[in-house]
Amino acid sequence: DGGITQSPKYLFRKEGQNVTLSCEQNLNHDAMYWYRQDPGQGLRLIYYSQIVNDFQKGDIAEGYSVSREKKESFPLTVTSAQKNPTAFYLCASRDRDRGETQYFGPGTRLLVL
Amino acid sequence: GQNIDQPTEMTATEGAIVQINCTYQTSGFNGLFWYQQHAGEAPTFLSYNVLDGLEEKGRFSSFLSRSKGYSYLLLKELQMKDSASYLCAVRDVWIYNQGGKLIFGQGTELSVKP
Repeated sequence: DGGITQSPKYLFRKEGQNVTLSCEQNLNHDAMYWYRQDPGQGLRLIYYSQIVNDFQKGDIAEGYSVSREKKESFPLTVTSAQKNPTAFYLCASRDRDRGETQYFGPGTRLLVL
Repeated sequence: GQNIDQPTEMTATEGAIVQINCTYQTSGFNGLFWYQQHAGEAPTFLSYNVLDGLEEKGRFSSFLSRSKGYSYLLLKELQMKDSASYLCAVRDVWIYNQGGKLIFGQGTELSVKP
């Protein structure tokens, strides 16, 4: 089955700790994205990558970092510099053949202890 | 600035028709998307409009007027499972500029009552 997977489903972070959220896709999509969703707000773009070994900051990149060493994988690290990390994190990839539509993974809910 | 407006919440009756409106003000336009998001889950793609007019897909239809900066999602024969948040998103740049990023509205929470 082709799709986008994210793990873990729930993640708990302690003060001062870095945590990494996984995103994997086997759809052969070039472009991948990370969004953050907070209650009552629209999705906001954190980072995106159009191709392997290249990524760009989105609108709210401070306190986050990413890597794109493989086409299939785009992990997001939430660093201790991110002061308000509690949110629902969504990874997406873009399909060239369907209006360049973005499709989302199941999400990771990050909570601060 | 970039702005997308949708009603915060709507209520409708099972079997009825509901129209969810979306107005946008963006510096450019390269497509409008509607997503459905059930509570605690990821958004799932519903429709895509880039030209003016109506796109129909089963019980769901989406309309676009670029000159008015306006779209709507029409849901027919409402079912209880249609209770969800509906997200309007605009791609305001060419796909290879800024990753073809989407600007999202805050979503419309639809409650379908028996």
